[in-house]
Amino acid sequence: KQEVTQIPAALSVPEGENLVLNCSFTDSAIYNLQWFRQDPGKGLTSLLLIQSSQREQTSGRLNASLDKSSGRSTLYIAASQPGDSATYLCAVSRLIYNQGGKLIFGQGTELSVKP
Amino acid sequence: DTEVTQTPKHLVMGMTNKKSLKCEQHMGHRAMYWYKQKAKKPPELMFVYSYEKLSINESVPSRFSPECPNSSLLNLHLHALQPEDSALYLCASSHPKYPSGGPPSYNEQFFGPGTRLTVL
Repeated sequence: KQEVTQIPAALSVPEGENLVLNCSFTDSAIYNLQWFRQDPGKGLTSLLLIQSSQREQTSGRLNASLDKSSGRSTLYIAASQPGDSATYLCAVSRLIYNQGGKLIFGQGTELSVKP
Repeated sequence: DTEVTQTPKHLVMGMTNKKSLKCEQHMGHRAMYWYKQKAKKPPELMFVYSYEKLSINESVPSRFSPECPNSSLLNLHLHALQPEDSALYLCASSHPKYPSGGPPSYNEQFFGPGTRLTVL
């Protein structure tokens, strides 16, 4: 059974700091890995999608890496800003052909960036 | 249009009421999903529709009844809910990709803003 773990559960940093969020998964047979951001009481915003054949993806100040063999992904946020404060969720996708992709989520990292 | 919309934003209902949640997307996605999220927890998959057919039901109680009238619309009908069903209900959609010679597979999921449901 696939299990996804995110460390740390909560993180507080001063503005401008570079930071790394960690995600690990127990079964390396994944289809892809997706990082999401969720603001309190809101829906999920997709940040980055890494296919199982890829090593990393970048979008602006965000960089996500994937090491499938070791079951790990990291989300790197450069020059953090107060607006980055949110919960960050990692989800691995188990592909069920013809039926949709089943996402299995980690518990999330709650990030607070202090001005 | 890269948006998934959900209505209503908030819903309060009694245990004897019947209500429906609505989800809509116009991105041409052919897979649509319902998730349930309790406070401080990650989303949990409830149902998946693929090409308007129910493909996955994660052993959800029958008081939740999904419906996919067309490729853009997904409903969740609610009846005789319990207070523990209070949660944020999220809808998502994704687009099929077609590996050469194979059945469709599904990629990035896009989520709506959710409906905050309170059952009294």
